[in-house]
Amino acid sequence: VRLVQSGGGLIQPGGSLRLSCEASGFTFTNHWMHWVRQSPGKGLEWVSRINTDGTDTIYADSVKGRFTISRDNAKNTLYLQMNSLRVEDTAVYFCARPWQWFDPPDYWGQGAPVTVSS
Amino acid sequence: EFVLTQSPGTLSLSPGDRATLSCGATQSVDNRQLAWYQQKPGQAPRLLIYGTSNRVSGTPDRFIGSGSGTDFTLTISRLEPEDFAVYYCQHYGSSPPLIFGGGTRVEIK
Repeated sequence: VRLVQSGGGLIQPGGSLRLSCEASGFTFTNHWMHWVRQSPGKGLEWVSRINTDGTDTIYADSVKGRFTISRDNAKNTLYLQMNSLRVEDTAVYFCARPWQWFDPPDYWGQGAPVTVSS
Repeated sequence: EFVLTQSPGTLSLSPGDRATLSCGATQSVDNRQLAWYQQKPGQAPRLLIYGTSNRVSGTPDRFIGSGSGTDFTLTISRLEPEDFAVYYCQHYGSSPPLIFGGGTRVEIK
């Protein structure tokens, strides 16, 4: 099982960025997926979750209306579109896979650093 | 608001010591919905225990999870050098889907 992330970087406040998480080694279409972030020197914060076909999504209040989770099952890839970025969105973003939708994530991507700064 | 509070914030111990990490919830938690993770610098979290006390394949048996209701504990019976890390408890399978405690850092004394 591998989750390989890409797309992080430095962005100005108000800007947009898209993170990707390419899955391999398991049947991607069978698994719900999460995004979790970790601000510098801080703990873990759940960001968003998507079901297997992308029709059911949920967001933390801190990102609702600004972030969009999606997936392309043909490409085995999970996405996080981040708009209207704020300084407080600065964090390492992880994609994570639970075994079943109600399980704790057992596989995680390597993390993608996002820095929002002018 | 549901909150998980971990204590202590930092635990300073020596290899071979016993570590006791606490996780308290503001509301009662179903035992099936409490997990523990280990995180080392620059790495993603690693799932150690789920369902309060079930070790994931590959988790050494020196890691022992216990508790019920609002009080949960991760015990590391005898610290190995590779165990010095940050540990997070997590409530899952509810709404929001994942809630993390603030973490306990286990550092070398």
